[in-house]
Amino acid sequence: EVKLEESGGGLVQPGGSMKLSCVASGFTFSSYWMSWVRQSPEKGLEWVAEIRLKSDNYATHYAESVKGKFTISRDDSKSRLYLQMNSLRAEDTGIYYCTKTARASFAYWGQGTLVTVSA
Amino acid sequence: DIVMTQSPSSLTVTAGEKVTMSCKSSQSLLNSGNQKNYLTWYQQKPGQPPKLLIYWASTRESGVPDRFTGSGSGTDFTLTISSVQAEDLAVYYCQNDYSYPRTFGGGTKLEIK
Repeated sequence: EVKLEESGGGLVQPGGSMKLSCVASGFTFSSYWMSWVRQSPEKGLEWVAEIRLKSDNYATHYAESVKGKFTISRDDSKSRLYLQMNSLRAEDTGIYYCTKTARASFAYWGQGTLVTVSA
Repeated sequence: DIVMTQSPSSLTVTAGEKVTMSCKSSQSLLNSGNQKNYLTWYQQKPGQPPKLLIYWASTRESGVPDRFTGSGSGTDFTLTISSVQAEDLAVYYCQNDYSYPRTFGGGTKLEIK
């Protein structure tokens, strides 16, 4: 059974940084593209970033809204996905989901971790 | 960016009724090389993350009841629930899986009378 478990969310001040983590199990993590998707009442569902495989030189894609602020990475030896978030603003508030690509970009989802950016 | 527009934004039906909801994309999602439409449908029940329902516009994910049917091509797509059940209470989202950035529609909220 595929399991994705996010952690690292919480309250952060505007301009601050936060690093999210996702631990995966139930599949060969190193063989799958992974992504982060966020959700907020204001913006709905929003794709954030994607990372491909070692064979793709860990190529990444980012939403324009986070390019230069967020960095997606992975540690295949630990089956972990990360999202380093810098220069956080109120509009970055939301639930951040770790997702696995299979038949579709977001075939499996974790339960999410809440990030709140507020003074 | 491809804009995904869903309608209606909400609908209320009685259990057993047939439901259709629409998703339109601002550009074609058809891959001319393999003739697949890269349109994905998700179901999000209250308090849960989204769940993959249908990919390639019409292929049901394993375990999804056959009362859910996806159809359409190019820029116009439809999700049909042949006989709505109480457990289908959810928000349904369509998503562009054709190009970057991946984009979602605003959702159709399904309520059961």
